[in-house]
Amino acid sequence: SAVISQKPSRDICQRGTSLTIQCQVDSQVTMMFWYRQQPGQSLTLIATANQGSEATYESGFVIDKFPISRPNLTFSTLTVSNMSPEDSSIYLCSVVDFRAAANYGYTFGSGTRLTVV
Amino acid sequence: KQEVTQIPAALSVPEGENLVLNCSFTDSAIYNLQWFRQDPGKGLTSLLLIQSSQREQTSGRLNASLDKSSGRSTLYIAASQPGDSATYLCAVFNTNAGKSTFGDGTTLTVKP
Repeated sequence: SAVISQKPSRDICQRGTSLTIQCQVDSQVTMMFWYRQQPGQSLTLIATANQGSEATYESGFVIDKFPISRPNLTFSTLTVSNMSPEDSSIYLCSVVDFRAAANYGYTFGSGTRLTVV
Repeated sequence: KQEVTQIPAALSVPEGENLVLNCSFTDSAIYNLQWFRQDPGKGLTSLLLIQSSQREQTSGRLNASLDKSSGRSTLYIAASQPGDSATYLCAVFNTNAGKSTFGDGTTLTVKP
Protein backbone atom coordinates (compact mmCIF):
# COMPACT_ATOMS: atom_id res chain seq x y z
CA SER A 1 0.00 0.00 0.00
CA ALA A 2 0.98 3.64 -0.41
CA VAL A 3 3.13 5.50 2.11
CA ILE A 4 2.01 9.02 3.00
CA SER A 5 4.07 11.87 4.38
CA GLN A 6 1.90 14.56 5.98
CA LYS A 7 3.32 17.85 7.22
CA PRO A 8 3.31 19.57 9.63
CA SER A 9 2.56 17.00 12.33
CA ARG A 10 1.29 19.71 14.64
CA ASP A 11 1.02 23.46 14.88
CA ILE A 12 -0.29 26.17 17.16
CA CYS A 13 -1.69 29.11 15.21
CA GLN A 14 -3.16 32.51 15.98
CA ARG A 15 -6.78 33.12 15.12
CA GLY A 16 -7.30 34.85 11.80
CA THR A 17 -4.25 33.26 10.18
CA SER A 18 -4.06 30.39 7.68
CA LEU A 19 -2.22 27.08 7.70
CA THR A 20 -1.39 24.89 4.73
CA ILE A 21 -1.05 21.14 5.28
CA GLN A 22 0.84 19.03 2.77
CA CYS A 23 0.26 15.40 1.81
CA GLN A 24 2.91 13.60 -0.26
CA VAL A 25 2.37 10.02 -1.45
CA ASP A 26 5.15 7.71 -2.58
CA SER A 27 3.14 6.45 -5.58
CA GLN A 28 0.43 7.66 -7.91
CA VAL A 29 -3.02 7.14 -6.43
CA THR A 30 -6.46 7.61 -7.90
CA MET A 31 -8.26 9.16 -4.95
CA MET A 32 -7.14 11.53 -2.19
CA PHE A 33 -9.33 12.71 0.65
CA TRP A 34 -9.07 15.24 3.45
CA TYR A 35 -10.71 14.52 6.80
CA ARG A 36 -11.19 16.44 10.01
CA GLN A 37 -11.41 14.85 13.43
CA GLN A 38 -12.58 17.14 16.19
CA PRO A 39 -11.68 16.29 19.78
CA GLY A 40 -13.40 13.12 20.94
CA GLN A 41 -15.21 12.60 17.65
CA SER A 42 -14.90 10.40 14.60
CA LEU A 43 -13.74 11.40 11.15
CA THR A 44 -15.63 13.88 8.99
CA LEU A 45 -14.87 14.06 5.30
CA ILE A 46 -14.02 17.60 4.19
CA ALA A 47 -13.50 16.99 0.49
CA THR A 48 -12.18 14.76 -2.25
CA ALA A 49 -9.09 16.24 -3.89
CA ASN A 50 -9.35 15.93 -7.67
CA GLN A 51 -6.24 15.99 -9.81
CA GLY A 52 -6.19 19.03 -12.09
CA SER A 53 -9.63 20.31 -11.10
CA GLU A 54 -11.54 21.78 -8.19
CA ALA A 55 -12.05 19.61 -5.13
CA THR A 56 -15.44 18.10 -4.35
CA TYR A 57 -16.60 19.42 -0.97
CA GLU A 58 -18.96 17.77 1.47
CA SER A 59 -21.95 19.53 2.93
CA GLY A 60 -20.85 22.13 5.45
CA PHE A 61 -17.42 22.71 3.94
CA VAL A 62 -16.62 25.45 1.43
CA ILE A 63 -13.69 26.24 -0.79
CA ASP A 64 -13.11 29.70 0.69
CA LYS A 65 -12.51 28.20 4.11
CA PHE A 66 -10.70 25.01 3.02
CA PRO A 67 -9.01 25.55 -0.34
CA ILE A 68 -7.47 22.35 -1.69
CA SER A 69 -4.93 21.79 -4.42
CA ARG A 70 -3.94 18.59 -6.19
CA PRO A 71 -1.51 19.38 -8.98
CA ASN A 72 -0.61 15.74 -9.67
CA LEU A 73 -1.40 12.17 -8.58
CA THR A 74 1.06 12.16 -5.66
CA PHE A 75 0.59 15.50 -3.89
CA SER A 76 -2.17 17.57 -2.32
CA THR A 77 -2.50 20.50 0.06
CA LEU A 78 -5.29 21.61 2.37
CA THR A 79 -5.38 25.17 3.67
CA VAL A 80 -7.36 26.09 6.74
CA SER A 81 -8.14 29.79 6.25
CA ASN A 82 -9.00 32.57 8.66
CA MET A 83 -8.75 30.18 11.58
CA SER A 84 -10.80 30.31 14.75
CA PRO A 85 -10.54 28.15 17.89
CA GLU A 86 -13.35 25.97 16.48
CA ASP A 87 -10.92 24.82 13.77
CA SER A 88 -8.76 23.10 16.37
CA SER A 89 -8.76 19.48 15.21
CA ILE A 90 -6.69 16.73 13.72
CA TYR A 91 -6.60 16.97 9.93
CA LEU A 92 -5.93 13.77 8.03
CA CYS A 93 -4.97 13.02 4.45
CA SER A 94 -6.08 9.68 3.05
CA VAL A 95 -5.59 7.89 -0.27
CA VAL A 96 -7.13 4.98 -2.15
CA ASP A 97 -5.76 3.43 -5.32
CA PHE A 98 -8.28 1.48 -7.35
CA ARG A 99 -5.98 0.78 -10.23
CA ALA A 100 -4.46 -2.21 -8.50
CA ALA A 101 -6.06 -5.60 -9.11
CA ALA A 102 -7.21 -5.59 -5.50
CA ASN A 103 -8.35 -2.59 -3.56
CA TYR A 104 -5.90 -2.04 -0.74
CA GLY A 105 -8.31 0.15 1.12
CA TYR A 106 -7.66 3.51 2.70
CA THR A 107 -4.21 4.55 3.81
CA PHE A 108 -3.92 7.52 6.15
CA GLY A 109 -1.23 10.04 6.84
CA SER A 110 -0.07 10.54 10.40
CA GLY A 111 -2.29 13.60 10.80
CA THR A 112 -1.80 17.27 11.60
CA ARG A 113 -2.80 18.33 15.08
CA LEU A 114 -3.91 21.95 14.86
CA THR A 115 -4.54 24.19 17.85
CA VAL A 116 -5.88 27.68 17.25
CA VAL A 117 -5.42 30.20 20.05
CA LYS B 1 -27.23 7.31 3.13
CA GLN B 2 -24.92 4.81 4.78
CA GLU B 3 -24.85 4.80 8.57
CA VAL B 4 -22.17 2.96 10.52
CA THR B 5 -22.58 2.17 14.21
CA GLN B 6 -19.97 0.75 16.56
CA ILE B 7 -20.84 -0.89 19.82
CA PRO B 8 -19.69 -0.54 22.53
CA ALA B 9 -18.39 3.03 22.54
CA ALA B 10 -15.86 2.11 25.22
CA LEU B 11 -14.57 -1.13 26.65
CA SER B 12 -12.22 -1.90 29.51
CA VAL B 13 -10.86 -5.41 29.99
CA PRO B 14 -8.09 -7.12 31.97
CA GLU B 15 -5.02 -8.25 30.12
CA GLY B 16 -5.31 -11.66 28.48
CA GLU B 17 -9.01 -11.51 27.82
CA ASN B 18 -10.49 -12.24 24.38
CA LEU B 19 -12.86 -9.55 23.14
CA VAL B 20 -15.19 -8.64 20.29
CA LEU B 21 -15.87 -5.24 18.80
CA ASN B 22 -18.96 -4.74 16.71
CA CYS B 23 -19.69 -2.68 13.61
CA SER B 24 -23.06 -2.47 11.88
CA PHE B 25 -24.03 -0.70 8.67
CA THR B 26 -27.34 0.08 7.00
CA ASP B 27 -26.53 -0.18 3.28
CA SER B 28 -25.25 -3.61 2.22
CA ALA B 29 -24.05 -2.42 -1.22
CA ILE B 30 -20.49 -2.21 -0.02
CA TYR B 31 -17.19 -2.63 -1.83
CA ASN B 32 -15.18 -3.42 1.27
CA LEU B 33 -14.98 -2.91 5.03
CA GLN B 34 -11.84 -1.83 6.80
CA TRP B 35 -10.84 -1.86 10.47
CA PHE B 36 -8.43 0.76 11.76
CA ARG B 37 -6.59 1.49 14.96
CA GLN B 38 -6.00 5.04 16.17
CA ASP B 39 -3.74 6.03 19.04
CA PRO B 40 -4.48 9.38 20.76
CA GLY B 41 -3.59 12.36 18.58
CA LYS B 42 -2.33 10.16 15.77
CA GLY B 43 -3.42 9.03 12.32
CA LEU B 44 -5.20 5.80 11.49
CA THR B 45 -3.42 2.50 10.99
CA SER B 46 -5.16 -0.09 8.84
CA LEU B 47 -5.58 -3.44 10.58
CA LEU B 48 -7.69 -5.54 8.26
CA LEU B 49 -9.49 -5.07 4.95
CA ILE B 50 -12.35 -7.36 3.97
CA GLN B 51 -13.59 -7.31 0.39
CA SER B 52 -17.33 -7.62 -0.13
CA SER B 53 -16.88 -11.18 -1.47
CA GLN B 54 -14.97 -12.32 1.61
CA ARG B 55 -16.27 -13.53 4.95
CA GLU B 56 -13.24 -12.95 7.15
CA GLN B 57 -9.63 -11.86 7.37
CA THR B 58 -6.99 -12.71 9.94
CA SER B 59 -3.78 -11.04 11.01
CA GLY B 60 -1.97 -12.34 14.06
CA ARG B 61 -4.26 -12.06 17.07
CA LEU B 62 -6.89 -10.19 15.05
CA ASN B 63 -9.78 -11.70 13.14
CA ALA B 64 -12.42 -9.69 11.32
CA SER B 65 -15.63 -11.13 9.94
CA LEU B 66 -18.16 -9.71 7.51
CA ASP B 67 -21.82 -10.59 7.05
CA LYS B 68 -23.13 -8.33 4.31
CA SER B 69 -26.68 -9.64 4.41
CA SER B 70 -27.11 -8.66 8.04
CA GLY B 71 -24.96 -5.54 7.78
CA ARG B 72 -22.50 -6.59 10.46
CA SER B 73 -18.79 -6.97 11.02
CA THR B 74 -16.90 -8.03 14.12
CA LEU B 75 -13.29 -7.57 15.13
CA TYR B 76 -12.05 -10.30 17.43
CA ILE B 77 -8.92 -9.65 19.48
CA ALA B 78 -7.38 -12.68 21.14
CA ALA B 79 -5.32 -12.58 24.32
CA SER B 80 -5.51 -8.81 24.67
CA GLN B 81 -2.45 -6.84 25.79
CA PRO B 82 -2.04 -3.32 27.25
CA GLY B 83 -0.47 -2.29 23.92
CA ASP B 84 -3.83 -2.98 22.27
CA SER B 85 -5.29 0.04 24.08
CA ALA B 86 -6.49 2.43 21.38
CA THR B 87 -9.60 3.49 19.50
CA TYR B 88 -10.77 1.05 16.85
CA LEU B 89 -12.77 2.34 13.89
CA CYS B 90 -14.54 0.53 11.12
CA ALA B 91 -15.10 2.08 7.70
CA VAL B 92 -17.46 0.90 5.00
CA PHE B 93 -16.76 1.76 1.37
CA ASN B 94 -19.93 2.10 -0.68
CA THR B 95 -19.75 1.52 -4.40
CA ASN B 96 -22.41 4.10 -5.25
CA ALA B 97 -21.01 6.81 -2.98
CA GLY B 98 -17.40 6.30 -4.04
CA LYS B 99 -16.13 6.85 -0.52
CA SER B 100 -16.11 5.36 2.95
CA THR B 101 -18.32 6.05 5.94
CA PHE B 102 -16.65 5.76 9.33
CA GLY B 103 -18.11 4.64 12.62
CA ASP B 104 -17.54 6.63 15.80
CA GLY B 105 -15.12 4.03 17.11
CA THR B 106 -14.71 1.85 20.18
CA THR B 107 -12.15 3.00 22.72
CA LEU B 108 -10.43 -0.03 24.21
CA THR B 109 -8.47 -0.04 27.44
CA VAL B 110 -6.58 -3.18 28.40
CA LYS B 111 -5.50 -3.13 32.02
CA PRO B 112 -2.29 -4.86 33.11
